[in-house]
Amino acid sequence: DIQMTQSPSSLSASVGDRVTITCRASQTIYNYLNWYQQKPGKAPELLISTTSSLQTAVPSRFSGSGSGTDFTLTINSVRPEDFATYYCQQSYDIPSTFGQGTKVEIK
Amino acid sequence: EVQLVESGGGLVQPGRSLRLSCAASGFIFDDFGMHWVRQVPGKGLEWVSGISWTGDDVAYVDSVKGRFTISRDTAKNSLYLQMNSLRSEDTALYYCAKDIKDRVDTAMLLGADSWGQGALVIVSS
Repeated sequence: DIQMTQSPSSLSASVGDRVTITCRASQTIYNYLNWYQQKPGKAPELLISTTSSLQTAVPSRFSGSGSGTDFTLTINSVRPEDFATYYCQQSYDIPSTFGQGTKVEIK
Repeated sequence: EVQLVESGGGLVQPGRSLRLSCAASGFIFDDFGMHWVRQVPGKGLEWVSGISWTGDDVAYVDSVKGRFTISRDTAKNSLYLQMNSLRSEDTALYYCAKDIKDRVDTAMLLGADSWGQGALVIVSS
């Protein structure tokens, strides 16, 4: 199975900060990488598909980049509603696997 | 508006069975792969099983192979997960999820763009 490792596991940020979350795959997954946001008590929501394609209605302050094994989710000027847990997910090979999550908290 | 509504969760003893259902609406159910993803409360996400839009391709995470069976009923716009020989480690919130891509012959989770609210399964004596 392809292992997905996110870093950091948690971070504290102030409103307006730029936040960067990384996701590393244990083998190449080309660009088959998705990002999700999950708020407490809610189902996850898809933010970005195939590394950098922003889903409809997702604010443009979110962006994704990378290829091969290393990927990044960036939130430019983080807002209060962005404080949540973020997961990466590889869609290259079965079983699809998720990173362990990165919790973004308010400083 | 896409809606996915899971049902069938509950408390079950180890070794027993449970069947989860997911009622889908707001999209052409026949055209999309569907998946089950689970989450132990307070922990991360784990893809459990997927089924292609035709139902011809199914896939499972190793830990449930031989015990769980995914299926779909196009007449009822419903997805199912038959869970047999349940173990304590199967305790989790089970989400039904719709794949982002239509008419792709794979059970791979290409991306989940809609999720249900989850069905809680507790396996305990």
